[in-house]
Amino acid sequence: AQSVAQPEDQVNVAEGNPLTVKCTYSVSGNPYLFWYVQYPNRGLQFLLKYITGDNLVKGSYGFEAEFNKSQTSFHLKKPSALVSDSALYFCAAPGSGAGSYQLTFGKGTKLSVIP
Amino acid sequence: GAGVSQTPSNKVTEKGKYVELRCDPISGHTALYWYRQSLGQGPEFLIYFQGTGAADDSGLPNDRFFAVRPEGSVSTLKIQRTERGDSAVYLCASSLQGLAANDYEQYFGPGTRLTVT
Repeated sequence: AQSVAQPEDQVNVAEGNPLTVKCTYSVSGNPYLFWYVQYPNRGLQFLLKYITGDNLVKGSYGFEAEFNKSQTSFHLKKPSALVSDSALYFCAAPGSGAGSYQLTFGKGTKLSVIP
Repeated sequence: GAGVSQTPSNKVTEKGKYVELRCDPISGHTALYWYRQSLGQGPEFLIYFQGTGAADDSGLPNDRFFAVRPEGSVSTLKIQRTERGDSAVYLCASSLQGLAANDYEQYFGPGTRLTVT
């Protein structure tokens, strides 16, 4: 079964500092991994995805994620956090086989960027 | 262009009542998904449509839940005899094709917050 885990319920970071939101995965075969962001009272917005190729994936709003096969991780990063980055972040992976269109999400990590 | 829209944004109902939640996907998207997000959790898959047919309804929790997409566009999630445990945010998403999630991003609507009292 495909699964992702987000070990931190909340991450606090000062504005201007680099941020990292962690995700680990357990998937069979080649992993496909996604990051979504959820702002209050709004739907999930796609940030980036890893399919194959470069281990560093660049996405929307200055975010990037680093795929690390040996550590089975796909951490989300940004060099300089903005207050407007404060939101709920979800790591996700598609199912396998006939269920590959479903997304399985982590529990989410609440990011708070402090001015 | 317009994104995925969902109505109502909020729905409060009494235990035992019937509710309908509507999703209007992005024009041209053939795949439509329903997810349920409980407080403090990530979204959980409910059902997936490819065109008019429900290709996979394995995520529906029980037979009180049903969804339709009669013309391959708008979808309605129907919940009979609601229970307090049904309280959650119901999210709808659409994508160009649903053959594999890794090929096409899913675009989510703002959700309907259902509260069963």
